[in-house]
Amino acid sequence: GDSVTQMEGPVTLSEEAFLTINCTYTATGYPSLFWYVQYPGEGLQLLLKATKADDKGSNKGFEATYRKETTSFHLEKGSVQVSDSAVYFCALSSAGGTSYGKLTFGQGTILTVHP
Amino acid sequence: GAGVSQTPSNKVTEKGKYVELRCDPISGHTALYWYRQSLGQGPEFLIYFQGTGAADDSGLPNDRFFAVRPEGSVSTLKIQRTERGDSAVYLCASSPDWNTGELFFGEGSRLTVL
Repeated sequence: GDSVTQMEGPVTLSEEAFLTINCTYTATGYPSLFWYVQYPGEGLQLLLKATKADDKGSNKGFEATYRKETTSFHLEKGSVQVSDSAVYFCALSSAGGTSYGKLTFGQGTILTVHP
Repeated sequence: GAGVSQTPSNKVTEKGKYVELRCDPISGHTALYWYRQSLGQGPEFLIYFQGTGAADDSGLPNDRFFAVRPEGSVSTLKIQRTERGDSAVYLCASSPDWNTGELFFGEGSRLTVL
């Protein structure tokens, strides 16, 4: 079955540091890939997505590139801020014609950014 | 409000009791999803509605779990004969249509079974 593996956390960084959160996946066919973020006290929200190989998703300074050859979708940001402190979830959808919203999530990575 | 609303935010019950969790999706969103999130884990898919019908209930763990969406808007997740292992945060999400992976999540209902 489908699965998503994220780097183990938590991750603690100083403000303006470079961020990478690794994500690899196993899926049949050609899944769509997503990063969701959960800020303290809020619901999960979509951060970025990519729907085919070599696509780059980007939002709020975050980027991730769909790498089919390495089955990866690593999240990166060049300079993190305290406000980026949150839990980050990598997810995939391989349901295709039935529902793209049937997502398989990784276990989440807690990011804490200190001033 | 404009977001997905879930009630109750917290529910404590005793083993064997019946529980209902309610989800009010974003107005106009035809797709509605229930997920379950255990501590330290990512959300796990339970069931998906397109309109009033359950299009995919393959994630429901057993027949104690049931969900309805009678008028294509509000949905209720029902759990019979609760067990301690049912303790988790139950998340509801909605989406404008089936062909997008952009889900709008509520803050969840935390269920604790004693």
